[in-house]
Amino acid sequence: QKEVEQDPGPLSVPEGAIVSLNCTYSNSAFQYFMWYRQYSRKGPELLMYTYSSGNKEDGRFTAQVDKSSKYISLFIRDSQPSDSATYLCAMSDSYNTGNQFYFGTGTSLTVIP
Amino acid sequence: EPEVTQTPSHQVTQMGQEVILRCVPISNHLYFYWYRQILGQKVEFLVSFYNNEISEKSEIFDDQFSVERPDGSNFTLKIRSTKLEDSAMYFCASSVARTSGNVPDTQYFGPGTRLTVL
Repeated sequence: QKEVEQDPGPLSVPEGAIVSLNCTYSNSAFQYFMWYRQYSRKGPELLMYTYSSGNKEDGRFTAQVDKSSKYISLFIRDSQPSDSATYLCAMSDSYNTGNQFYFGTGTSLTVIP
Repeated sequence: EPEVTQTPSHQVTQMGQEVILRCVPISNHLYFYWYRQILGQKVEFLVSFYNNEISEKSEIFDDQFSVERPDGSNFTLKIRSTKLEDSAMYFCASSVARTSGNVPDTQYFGPGTRLTVL
């Protein structure tokens, strides 16, 4: 199953750096794009979502969707040690066909103080 | 803040045995889900459940698996005759509704049960 691809990392950056996390996908029917954060020994926690194309900003986090390239990104500005976690992208085609989510493998991020 | 809880945190079983993984969804949520994550691989959808019925299931969710809401608070995943390849982290999730406006409703995940089949 290769619907969603994500570089597993690990990614290690100094505190304050800008982090870019990316996923590609193959199913052009995907409309709803999510980023989850998963701390060690915890379940995934929804960080942000976007519907269809465009950008969405929430504090230090910006989610971008480029449907023409089938590419989504999550940017973290002024990264903090508390951002150290695994970041999972997830997608869904549409509420009409159900809300089964398709996940990437996750990217492990470490922010070094 | 309300949370999805799961028990046990780690279950070890012998191949061929039956296991039941338990979840307590957030109390006002109506939709429940099971996902699994084999080590190093993607989180995979197994099944969604609403109104005491399966509403969707993936091809992974075969006759070996079953789900149940035995009472008003618990949601269980039963795996009959476990296989080595069932070893994975199993996540339960819940949401208030199926959709919120025109997008899928937020699913809240539990911490997971690590299942090890020997």
